[in-house]
Amino acid sequence: QKEVEQNSGPLSVPEGAIASLNCTYSDRGSQSFFWYRQYSGKSPELIMFIYSNGDKEDGRFTAQLNKASQYVSLLIRDSQPSDSATYLCAVSGGTSYGKLTFGQGTILTVHP
Amino acid sequence: GAGVSQSPSNKVTEKGKDVELRCDPISGHTALYWYRQSLGQGLEFLIYFQGNSAPDKSGLPSDRFSAERTGGSVSTLTIQRTQQEDSAVYLCASSTLTGTTYEQYFGPGTRLTVT
Repeated sequence: QKEVEQNSGPLSVPEGAIASLNCTYSDRGSQSFFWYRQYSGKSPELIMFIYSNGDKEDGRFTAQLNKASQYVSLLIRDSQPSDSATYLCAVSGGTSYGKLTFGQGTILTVHP
Repeated sequence: GAGVSQSPSNKVTEKGKDVELRCDPISGHTALYWYRQSLGQGLEFLIYFQGNSAPDKSGLPSDRFSAERTGGSVSTLTIQRTQQEDSAVYLCASSTLTGTTYEQYFGPGTRLTVT
């Protein structure tokens, strides 16, 4: 079992729709959860992090965390073509304190 | 402010040669990390420095890889006797503690090609 798994992509949504990206993790001691966006040929860019159960909103982005289910998600409202990228879920804490363990990423395409 | 910087941006080397990759973290960040990203692979942790503590080297793939951090700032990742499987983008990140969370910010990476 992979330590961090993301829903298989690619994911394609129309402009203006909600994009939903999902991630599960295996280390129950994990404490912090991150979403990064990576454009082709570029380095990852931090979008959001969350460490408490529930929702955290920042503009068009909402991160959701459920530690009991070991599940974290990212919702992108009013998706724009510029949101097209690979989205990486990353986890730290527990046995990997400090360092990030990444999922394989989900490719999102927002089509006009 | 200035972000994480890395040099060189691209490096082509022959198999068997040694290479050094440099990372300048964000000023004031106490933690520094090295990762690599191979074509078609996810981001793989290599090594982590936190303040004056001993580094976490658990991700280094072989003893050909080493890293140091001088003066709590700049870091150099050295790969000795490079192999073709070392070809990847090497990413450096730095962070500081925000509440209870270390937010890691990545540099632009060094693309290493071993021929």
